[in-house]
Amino acid sequence: QQQVKQSPQSLIVQKGGISIINCAYENTAFDYFPWYQQFPGKGPALLIAIRPDVSEKKEGRFTISFNKSAKQFSLHIMDSQPGDSATYFCAAPNQAGTALIFGKGTTLSVSS
Amino acid sequence: DVKVTQSSRYLVKRTGEKVFLECVQDMDHENMFWYRQDPGLGLRLIYFSYDVKMKEKGDIPEGYSVSREKKERFSLILESASTNQTSMYLCASSSPGTGLYGYTFGSGTRLTVV
Repeated sequence: QQQVKQSPQSLIVQKGGISIINCAYENTAFDYFPWYQQFPGKGPALLIAIRPDVSEKKEGRFTISFNKSAKQFSLHIMDSQPGDSATYFCAAPNQAGTALIFGKGTTLSVSS
Repeated sequence: DVKVTQSSRYLVKRTGEKVFLECVQDMDHENMFWYRQDPGLGLRLIYFSYDVKMKEKGDIPEGYSVSREKKERFSLILESASTNQTSMYLCASSSPGTGLYGYTFGSGTRLTVV
Protein backbone atom coordinates (compact mmCIF):
# COMPACT_ATOMS: atom_id res chain seq x y z
CA GLN A 1 0.00 0.00 0.00
CA GLN A 2 1.25 3.42 -0.90
CA GLN A 3 2.12 5.50 2.15
CA VAL A 4 2.49 9.13 3.07
CA LYS A 5 4.75 9.54 6.11
CA GLN A 6 4.08 12.57 8.29
CA SER A 7 6.05 13.84 11.27
CA PRO A 8 5.97 14.76 14.06
CA GLN A 9 2.86 13.13 15.50
CA SER A 10 2.39 16.04 17.91
CA LEU A 11 3.88 19.48 18.28
CA ILE A 12 3.77 22.15 20.97
CA VAL A 13 4.79 25.65 19.96
CA GLN A 14 4.81 28.95 21.81
CA LYS A 15 2.62 31.74 20.51
CA GLY A 16 4.57 33.64 17.88
CA GLY A 17 6.84 30.71 17.10
CA ILE A 18 7.25 28.72 13.89
CA SER A 19 5.49 25.37 13.48
CA ILE A 20 7.02 22.92 11.00
CA ILE A 21 5.38 19.68 9.88
CA ASN A 22 7.05 17.33 7.42
CA CYS A 23 5.71 14.87 4.90
CA ALA A 24 7.33 12.24 2.65
CA TYR A 25 5.58 10.44 -0.17
CA GLU A 26 6.25 7.42 -2.34
CA ASN A 27 5.71 7.10 -6.07
CA THR A 28 2.68 9.13 -6.95
CA ALA A 29 0.77 10.64 -9.80
CA PHE A 30 1.79 14.25 -10.03
CA ASP A 31 -0.99 16.59 -9.11
CA TYR A 32 -1.23 19.16 -6.35
CA PHE A 33 0.07 18.27 -2.87
CA PRO A 34 -2.33 19.63 -0.24
CA TRP A 35 -2.41 20.23 3.48
CA TYR A 36 -5.67 19.94 5.39
CA GLN A 37 -6.56 21.43 8.78
CA GLN A 38 -9.04 19.81 11.14
CA PHE A 39 -10.60 21.30 14.26
CA PRO A 40 -12.30 19.07 16.88
CA GLY A 41 -15.77 17.99 15.81
CA LYS A 42 -15.25 19.09 12.21
CA GLY A 43 -14.15 17.44 9.01
CA PRO A 44 -10.75 18.35 7.54
CA ALA A 45 -10.69 21.50 5.41
CA LEU A 46 -8.26 22.35 2.62
CA LEU A 47 -5.64 24.78 3.96
CA ILE A 48 -3.11 25.19 1.16
CA ALA A 49 -1.84 23.16 -1.81
CA ILE A 50 1.23 23.28 -4.05
CA ARG A 51 1.84 22.27 -7.66
CA PRO A 52 4.74 19.81 -8.15
CA ASP A 53 6.59 22.18 -10.51
CA VAL A 54 6.89 24.86 -7.82
CA SER A 55 9.29 24.73 -4.84
CA GLU A 56 7.41 27.04 -2.50
CA LYS A 57 3.95 28.49 -2.04
CA LYS A 58 2.98 31.06 0.55
CA GLU A 59 -0.49 32.09 1.71
CA GLY A 60 -0.44 34.49 4.60
CA ARG A 61 1.33 32.84 7.52
CA PHE A 62 1.27 29.40 5.86
CA THR A 63 4.03 28.21 3.52
CA ILE A 64 4.53 24.90 1.73
CA SER A 65 8.07 23.93 0.73
CA PHE A 66 8.31 21.19 -1.88
CA ASN A 67 11.38 19.06 -2.72
CA LYS A 68 10.50 16.88 -5.69
CA SER A 69 13.84 15.02 -5.87
CA ALA A 70 13.62 14.04 -2.20
CA LYS A 71 9.86 13.34 -2.43
CA GLN A 72 9.25 15.55 0.58
CA PHE A 73 7.18 18.58 1.38
CA SER A 74 6.60 20.55 4.54
CA LEU A 75 4.19 23.03 6.07
CA HIS A 76 5.54 26.07 7.90
CA ILE A 77 3.25 28.17 10.07
CA MET A 78 4.83 31.51 10.88
CA ASP A 79 3.84 33.55 13.94
CA SER A 80 1.79 30.61 15.26
CA GLN A 81 -1.39 31.57 17.10
CA PRO A 82 -3.60 29.67 19.59
CA GLY A 83 -6.27 29.59 16.89
CA ASP A 84 -3.92 27.47 14.78
CA SER A 85 -4.23 24.65 17.33
CA ALA A 86 -5.66 21.80 15.26
CA THR A 87 -4.73 18.54 13.57
CA TYR A 88 -2.92 18.90 10.24
CA PHE A 89 -2.84 16.30 7.50
CA CYS A 90 -0.65 16.20 4.42
CA ALA A 91 -1.83 14.26 1.40
CA ALA A 92 -0.52 13.04 -1.92
CA PRO A 93 -2.25 11.61 -4.98
CA ASN A 94 -2.24 7.83 -5.22
CA GLN A 95 -0.25 6.27 -8.04
CA ALA A 96 -3.30 6.03 -10.28
CA GLY A 97 -4.11 9.68 -9.70
CA THR A 98 -7.63 8.81 -8.58
CA ALA A 99 -7.69 9.66 -4.87
CA LEU A 100 -5.70 11.27 -2.07
CA ILE A 101 -3.62 9.28 0.40
CA PHE A 102 -3.35 11.07 3.73
CA GLY A 103 -0.62 11.14 6.35
CA LYS A 104 -1.41 10.10 9.91
CA GLY A 105 -1.77 13.66 11.11
CA THR A 106 0.03 16.08 13.40
CA THR A 107 -1.70 17.56 16.44
CA LEU A 108 -0.47 21.12 16.92
CA SER A 109 -0.93 22.97 20.19
CA VAL A 110 0.02 26.64 20.33
CA SER A 111 0.40 27.85 23.89
CA SER A 112 -0.27 31.43 24.83
CA ASP B 1 -20.15 27.10 -0.38
CA VAL B 2 -20.13 23.41 -1.12
CA LYS B 3 -21.91 21.49 1.51
CA VAL B 4 -21.37 17.83 2.29
CA THR B 5 -23.94 16.52 4.73
CA GLN B 6 -23.64 13.27 6.62
CA SER B 7 -26.99 12.13 7.92
CA SER B 8 -25.94 11.12 11.42
CA ARG B 9 -23.43 12.72 13.75
CA TYR B 10 -23.39 9.81 16.20
CA LEU B 11 -24.55 6.24 15.68
CA VAL B 12 -24.54 3.21 17.98
CA LYS B 13 -25.16 -0.19 16.42
CA ARG B 14 -24.99 -3.79 17.53
CA THR B 15 -22.52 -6.36 16.24
CA GLY B 16 -23.91 -8.11 13.16
CA GLU B 17 -26.30 -5.32 12.18
CA LYS B 18 -26.35 -3.94 8.65
CA VAL B 19 -25.46 -0.25 8.87
CA PHE B 20 -26.06 2.50 6.32
CA LEU B 21 -24.10 5.76 6.43
CA GLU B 22 -25.50 8.42 4.13
CA CYS B 23 -23.71 11.34 2.50
CA VAL B 24 -25.22 14.06 0.33
CA GLN B 25 -23.45 16.91 -1.47
CA ASP B 26 -25.18 19.91 -3.00
CA MET B 27 -22.70 21.18 -5.61
CA ASP B 28 -23.06 18.65 -8.41
CA HIS B 29 -19.62 17.16 -7.73
CA GLU B 30 -18.69 14.10 -9.76
CA ASN B 31 -16.29 12.57 -7.25
CA MET B 32 -17.21 11.25 -3.83
CA PHE B 33 -15.12 9.43 -1.24
CA TRP B 34 -15.46 7.57 2.04
CA TYR B 35 -12.62 7.60 4.57
CA ARG B 36 -12.38 6.36 8.11
CA GLN B 37 -10.37 8.26 10.72
CA ASP B 38 -8.77 6.52 13.68
CA PRO B 39 -6.34 7.99 16.24
CA GLY B 40 -2.77 7.45 15.15
CA LEU B 41 -3.82 6.04 11.76
CA GLY B 42 -4.99 9.18 10.02
CA LEU B 43 -7.53 9.00 7.21
CA ARG B 44 -7.78 5.75 5.30
CA LEU B 45 -9.65 5.43 2.01
CA ILE B 46 -12.47 2.88 1.98
CA TYR B 47 -14.24 3.43 -1.37
CA PHE B 48 -14.72 6.16 -3.91
CA SER B 49 -16.90 6.90 -6.89
CA TYR B 50 -16.43 8.99 -10.03
CA ASP B 51 -19.90 8.67 -11.45
CA VAL B 52 -23.35 7.34 -10.75
CA LYS B 53 -23.36 3.57 -10.30
CA MET B 54 -19.57 3.54 -10.45
CA LYS B 55 -17.36 2.54 -7.52
CA GLU B 56 -13.72 1.76 -6.86
CA LYS B 57 -12.07 0.11 -3.87
CA GLY B 58 -9.73 2.11 -1.72
CA ASP B 59 -7.11 0.77 0.65
CA ILE B 60 -9.42 -0.85 3.24
CA PRO B 61 -12.64 -1.99 1.51
CA GLU B 62 -13.07 -5.27 3.42
CA GLY B 63 -16.36 -5.41 5.31
CA TYR B 64 -17.80 -2.42 3.44
CA SER B 65 -19.75 -1.76 0.28
CA VAL B 66 -21.09 1.42 -1.31
CA SER B 67 -23.98 2.61 -3.39
CA ARG B 68 -24.28 5.60 -5.67
CA GLU B 69 -27.68 5.66 -7.36
CA LYS B 70 -27.82 9.46 -7.68
CA LYS B 71 -25.01 11.91 -8.32
CA GLU B 72 -25.50 13.78 -5.06
CA ARG B 73 -25.72 10.77 -2.74
CA PHE B 74 -23.03 8.25 -1.77
CA SER B 75 -23.86 5.61 0.81
CA LEU B 76 -21.46 3.46 2.80
CA ILE B 77 -22.80 0.08 3.90
CA LEU B 78 -21.40 -2.11 6.65
CA GLU B 79 -22.77 -5.51 5.71
CA SER B 80 -22.36 -7.00 9.19
CA ALA B 81 -21.01 -4.51 11.68
CA SER B 82 -18.12 -5.58 13.87
CA THR B 83 -16.47 -3.87 16.84
CA ASN B 84 -13.32 -3.15 14.80
CA GLN B 85 -15.45 -0.91 12.58
CA THR B 86 -15.99 1.50 15.47
CA SER B 87 -14.55 4.69 14.02
CA MET B 88 -15.16 8.19 12.67
CA TYR B 89 -16.38 8.01 9.08
CA LEU B 90 -15.78 10.97 6.80
CA CYS B 91 -17.39 11.58 3.43
CA ALA B 92 -15.83 13.96 0.90
CA SER B 93 -16.58 15.25 -2.57
CA SER B 94 -14.61 17.04 -5.27
CA SER B 95 -15.00 18.16 -8.84
CA PRO B 96 -12.59 18.06 -11.79
CA GLY B 97 -12.40 21.85 -11.53
CA THR B 98 -10.52 21.66 -8.24
CA GLY B 99 -8.31 18.83 -9.38
CA LEU B 100 -7.61 15.81 -7.24
CA TYR B 101 -6.66 17.83 -4.17
CA GLY B 102 -9.70 20.02 -3.47
CA TYR B 103 -11.86 17.82 -1.25
CA THR B 104 -14.81 19.13 0.74
CA PHE B 105 -15.44 16.96 3.78
CA GLY B 106 -18.56 16.43 5.82
CA SER B 107 -18.42 16.74 9.60
CA GLY B 108 -18.25 12.99 10.06
CA THR B 109 -20.30 10.19 11.60
CA ARG B 110 -18.93 8.68 14.76
CA LEU B 111 -19.99 5.05 14.71
CA THR B 112 -19.80 2.83 17.76
CA VAL B 113 -20.41 -0.90 17.33
CA VAL B 114 -21.24 -2.70 20.59
